[in-house]
Amino acid sequence: EVQLLESGGGLVQPGGSLRLSCAASGFTFSSYAMSWVRQAPGKGLEWVSAISGSGGSTYYADSVKGRFTISRDNSKNTLYLQMNSLRAEDTAVYYCAKSWGVYCSSTSCYPPFDPWGQGTLVTVSS
Amino acid sequence: QSALTQPASVSGSPGQSITISCTGTSSDVGGYNYVSWYQQHPGKAPKLMIYEVSNRPSGVSNRFSGSKSGNTASLTISGLQAEDEADYYCSSYTSSSAYVFGTGTKVTVL
Repeated sequence: EVQLLESGGGLVQPGGSLRLSCAASGFTFSSYAMSWVRQAPGKGLEWVSAISGSGGSTYYADSVKGRFTISRDNSKNTLYLQMNSLRAEDTAVYYCAKSWGVYCSSTSCYPPFDPWGQGTLVTVSS
Repeated sequence: QSALTQPASVSGSPGQSITISCTGTSSDVGGYNYVSWYQQHPGKAPKLMIYEVSNRPSGVSNRFSGSKSGNTASLTISGLQAEDEADYYCSSYTSSSAYVFGTGTKVTVL
């Protein structure tokens, strides 16, 4: 059974940093693209970032580009999200999600978000 | 990248059918058959219900179906049941090699 377990959330001041982790099990981690998706309190879903199975390709939403860094350690079956220069608008539950395969391209695309972890809450406030 | 447009709420009585629309542009919904739909119950993680416009993952009820016309995708729930009351989100791959979600629709079973 595929399991994704996020950790690392908490309260941080504006301008601060936080690193989220997502521990994966139940599948060959290095074979699948992974994503981070967030949901602000009472709001909708927002895709944040994704990474290829090898870690060689990364992708970001414009709202976090230059501030967040996605990475993975395939030897530890763990996905990371390093968040710097945090803002109040970054407050959200952050989910990690597994793709059914490699990252999408214009000619082929596996479902990118299935399954999801349970999420970890990040609160940016002074 | 702007969010895809969904109605804020849709409601129906048990047994009825409802349809949720998801409108984007030629750079996302209209440009690819890579539209997915997710169901989210309060306090829970989203669950994949439809992928590639109209395909159902194993285990998802055949009461859920998807379609697309031009820049608008749709999710139809037939034989509405109390357990279908939840938030629903569409998602699409984009020409920027990114993903975009819809604004979300709250489904209420009357």
